[in-house]
Amino acid sequence: QSALTQPASVTGSPGQPITISCTGTSSDVGGYNLVSWYQQYPGQGPKLLIYGDTKQPSGVSNRFSGSKSGNTASLTISGLQAEDEAHYYCCSYAGRSTFLFGGGTKLTVL
Amino acid sequence: QEQLVESGGGVVQPGRSLRLSCVASGFSFRAHPMHWVRQAPGKGLEWVAVISNDARGIYYADSVKGRFTISRDNLEDTLYLQMNSLRVDDTAIYYCARGLAAELDYWGQGTLVTVSS
Repeated sequence: QSALTQPASVTGSPGQPITISCTGTSSDVGGYNLVSWYQQYPGQGPKLLIYGDTKQPSGVSNRFSGSKSGNTASLTISGLQAEDEAHYYCCSYAGRSTFLFGGGTKLTVL
Repeated sequence: QEQLVESGGGVVQPGRSLRLSCVASGFSFRAHPMHWVRQAPGKGLEWVAVISNDARGIYYADSVKGRFTISRDNLEDTLYLQMNSLRVDDTAIYYCARGLAAELDYWGQGTLVTVSS
């Protein structure tokens, strides 16, 4: 099982929107409505941002949203803020009770 | 307040064994599946294993199948990962995480395992 494909890095300016993509196959991303997204700061454990492709846990800023088309899921951050600078990971259910993570994307806020 | 605290990491030689623990508090541990996820230094996250709330369902990543064993003690609110035949490429921070449907909603801070001769 290969990791899901994410861009290694994304850069944006404060106030702008950015989108991070996560590409898999019909056996994982495209086969289930079970993609989740995580934010990780250096030295910390990840934090859940999005689940079930598009759902938001309580307490997460509504600037974070998820979408999916075919085998590609996306995380959009609207109104970029300096505090959003972090690594972002997608994860998909991959069948037979297994899970796949993306390689991660480093977001830089200029 | 949900909390997960991992322990048991350290430096170990290739081929040796190590057991990690994760103590849960602030929620009903027995009601949730639990996962182990690892992160090699400077690398991304890799899912390792999951155990159902009643321990009847256990699944592993191909990279650790046959070498690692996940288990849990619902009386002690503790998750375990027994790691045998350790290899250099098992070097990573190991996180435990609480599962819901297919997402991991709470994570610990991790424990570092270094496999080196």
